[in-house]
Amino acid sequence: DAGITQSPRHKVTETGTPVTLRCHQTENHRYMYWYRQDPGHGLRLIHYSYGVKDTDKGEVSDGYSVSRSKTEDFLLTLESATSSQTSVYFCATGQDITGELFFGEGSRLTVL
Amino acid sequence: AQSVTQLDSQVPVFEEAPVELRCNYSSSVSVYLFWYVQYPNQGLQLLLKYLSGSTLVKGINGFEAEFNKSQTSFHLRKPSVHISDTAEYFCAALDFGNEKLTFGTGTRLTIIP
Repeated sequence: DAGITQSPRHKVTETGTPVTLRCHQTENHRYMYWYRQDPGHGLRLIHYSYGVKDTDKGEVSDGYSVSRSKTEDFLLTLESATSSQTSVYFCATGQDITGELFFGEGSRLTVL
Repeated sequence: AQSVTQLDSQVPVFEEAPVELRCNYSSSVSVYLFWYVQYPNQGLQLLLKYLSGSTLVKGINGFEAEFNKSQTSFHLRKPSVHISDTAEYFCAALDFGNEKLTFGTGTRLTIIP
């Protein structure tokens, strides 16, 4: 299995506070993704990266930003958390577009 | 933009019975198709994928799926399910030349002993 570590695994925060989720991989995969999983919506892409400092938006990118300064790390930041951002966030990595995506174990975020 | 539809949000099946989980995607000239499985409190893992070639794709744990271009479908099947197959199953599609994998809303498979 690809070594993908998400941190924190659980976080409770208040509306209006900034939050950063970290995804760390040890497989040197080129592509990294952030998805959110919500009941009835499946997984929706927030942002993804196709290389160091190369990122692009997904379908639900409003209110989120990302950074990738090193191959192994992909950070997801909520500048000012809202209750609608309460969700489970998954990081995924892949070496090529048509190959397998490897998922982390998820980060559960609750915004009060 | 690509869209993926999984009409069945929940599917209960008796143990050792066959199962089919349905997936339809929006039409595209070329598309890659995937099925992922999520066990409770875990991330997703790949079951199988269709890139090209034979329309019948075999995956892990005895699952298989058939690509049907005319019906824009990629249904997942297993001839005999086991308790350990209890999980949520996600269909996903990727347009040729795109980098964004689109997931369906998932189907929760419950195995009844």
